[in-house]
Amino acid sequence: SQKIEQNSEALNIQEGKTATLTCNYTNYSPAYLQWYRQDPGRGPVFLLLIRENEKEKRKERLKVTFDTTLKQSLFHITASQPADSATYLCALRNQAGTALIFGKGTTLSVSS
Amino acid sequence: DTAVSQTPKYLVTQMGNDKSIKCEQNLGHDTMYWYKQDSKKFLKIMFSYNNKELIINETVPNRFSPKSPDKAHLNLHINSLELGDSAVYFCASSLPLDTGELFFGEGSRLTVL
Repeated sequence: SQKIEQNSEALNIQEGKTATLTCNYTNYSPAYLQWYRQDPGRGPVFLLLIRENEKEKRKERLKVTFDTTLKQSLFHITASQPADSATYLCALRNQAGTALIFGKGTTLSVSS
Repeated sequence: DTAVSQTPKYLVTQMGNDKSIKCEQNLGHDTMYWYKQDSKKFLKIMFSYNNKELIINETVPNRFSPKSPDKAHLNLHINSLELGDSAVYFCASSLPLDTGELFFGEGSRLTVL
């Protein structure tokens, strides 16, 4: 069955540095992969979608890469700020194409 | 205007009771979902509805029954609540999955005592 792994449960970095989060998946070749942000007590909020034919996608200080050979996506936040502290979830469509399945998330803490 | 709204936000109840959580979306989406987020923060799909028809039921006990009166609403009814049902339940909606992202509600925190 499909499996999504976000290797780190928690990542602590200093303000101004680049945060890099990893998402690996197995047993599947998704057409796209998505990243979401979840703040405590709130629902996840969509950040970026990257398709299998795209190597890289950017949005402001965010960058996502998608390596279908390695079955891996990297999510980068450059010039990180304390306001970037949150849990970041990667998600991909299940094989039936009927729902998104999520990784367990990485909780990022940016200290000033 | 809230895009996806759920009520109630908090629900505390005793084991064995029956409870419902309501969800409404004003985005005009055809597809709606219920996800469960447990204490370890893992977000797991429970149900998916497309245009009022059930398309996913992911190994969820039959004590959980979703109902979609129209494509803007997807309610979740839970019978005979158990301690293990304590979690945050999220409703979400989307255009057909090929085209984009999920929009989530703020969640309903259910505590079963």
